[in-house]
Amino acid sequence: AQTVTQSQPEMSVQEAETVTLSCTYDTSESDYYLFWYKQPPSRQMILVIRQEAYKQQNATENRFSVNFQKAAKSFSLKISDSQLGDAAMYFCAYRIYSGGGADGLTFGKGTHLIIQP
Amino acid sequence: GAVVSQHPSRVICKSGTSVKIECRSLDFQATTMFWYRQFPKQSLMLMATSNEGSKATYEQGVEKDKFLINHASLTLSTLTVTSAHPEDSSFYICSARGRLARTDTQYFGPGTRLTVL
Repeated sequence: AQTVTQSQPEMSVQEAETVTLSCTYDTSESDYYLFWYKQPPSRQMILVIRQEAYKQQNATENRFSVNFQKAAKSFSLKISDSQLGDAAMYFCAYRIYSGGGADGLTFGKGTHLIIQP
Repeated sequence: GAVVSQHPSRVICKSGTSVKIECRSLDFQATTMFWYRQFPKQSLMLMATSNEGSKATYEQGVEKDKFLINHASLTLSTLTVTSAHPEDSSFYICSARGRLARTDTQYFGPGTRLTVL
C-alpha cells in the first residue's frame, strides 16, 4: 500500500518570505503522479502543482515549485514570496498511474501553513 | 478550469434516516468520480471510485451497503448514506476526472457537511 507522510503539522512564515513544506511517500511503483493541494477555510480543494514521476524536471507554477527526489521518495513544496492568501492546509497526494485513470488519491495528513503579516 | 458542484452543501438529519449527496461535473464529462471523507482536522480518505455505468469500487473498510454510490451519467454521481448514525457525521467531498489523456487531473467539489443527530 502506498503511504504519504507530511512530518510538519504546522508551519509559520513571514509574509514575502520563502517556506518549504516536506512530503515523503512510499511506493513500489515506478510510474505515478504527485500533487500538492491547498485547502483554505472554505474547504474547497485547490490543485497547487503536480509532478509526473517519469519527468526529471521539477514542476513550477509561478511562486510554487517542487523539489522532486525520486530515489529518496521526497516531494517538497517551496512557496516563494509568501502572501496572506497562501494561508491554508496543504496536502501532499499520490496517485499511481494506470491506463484507465481509475485510481483515487492517497493524501498525507496535511500541513497547516500560517502567514505572519 | 473544470467545475464540480455538490448538493447540498450542508445537511442535518436524524439518526436512522438516509441522506443523498449529489456530485455534478458542470462543464465536462466525468468518466470517473471519486468520493472522499474528511473528519475534522484530518486528511481526506478515499471511500470509493465510480465509473459511469459500472458498479462502484469501495476501499477496504468502507461498507458498500451503507454508502450507496450511483454514477448513472457522465455528469452525475450520487452518494447515499443509508440509516445514518452520528458516527457518519463528516465532510464528504467528491472529485471528478474527465476524458483527458495522461493529464488526468481530478477536480474537486466544494464538499458536503453531514451532521447526524
